[in-house]
Amino acid sequence: GESVGLHLPTLSVQEGDNSIINCAYSNSASDYFIWYKQESGKGPQFIIDIRSNMDKRQGQRVTVLLNKTVKHLSLQIAATQPGDSAVYFCAERLRGKLIFGQGTELSVKP
Amino acid sequence: EAQVTQNPRYLITVTGKKLTVTCSQNMNHEYMSWYRQDPGLGLRQIYYSMNVEVTDKGDVPEGYKVSRKEKRNFPLILESPSPNQTSLYFCASSGTGGGWQETQYFGPGTRLLVL
Repeated sequence: GESVGLHLPTLSVQEGDNSIINCAYSNSASDYFIWYKQESGKGPQFIIDIRSNMDKRQGQRVTVLLNKTVKHLSLQIAATQPGDSAVYFCAERLRGKLIFGQGTELSVKP
Repeated sequence: EAQVTQNPRYLITVTGKKLTVTCSQNMNHEYMSWYRQDPGLGLRQIYYSMNVEVTDKGDVPEGYKVSRKEKRNFPLILESPSPNQTSLYFCASSGTGGGWQETQYFGPGTRLLVL
């Protein structure tokens, strides 16, 4: 039968601007969260993680914010570059098991 | 170089013909896992292994088998593939059961088409 492709949410930003990618997670008991980057034709690549007892963590050009009240996670990328173009998805860990979101496609315009 | 390798990268097969996708990691990781990735469904865990000879079902284990005879290898076996197993498969490994501050390293993926 014919299949219909499902499109990911897309975020388009200008090179040099900051990007904010959001993720709503499902379980208030999740204790650990990860952001992954997946470039076309490649496996997911770890970007940054955060424990549930934190609300902010910073890496190189990236910051993850966790709002447990509304079960929301965000990834901020500073000074976005063309090489940041990829699908980004979050994962939550619930009772030792990772549950992945579907992702957001980030497109960086030069 | 620390890495997870998978073979083959691409495979076209027919219904019912047994196949194995190999996964190997060179980081001495205890934890290894298989995922499938389908449009609109994200990554779903098939099977995982906490250590040698220790394997357990993930969310979608039906139609798959795994084995963990050695620490570095974690093959995925499809005894009788069906078209609904057409997907993109990823193997991953990490150092301490996938826990805090232990990054899961993913392989490059195996794209499988079952006719």
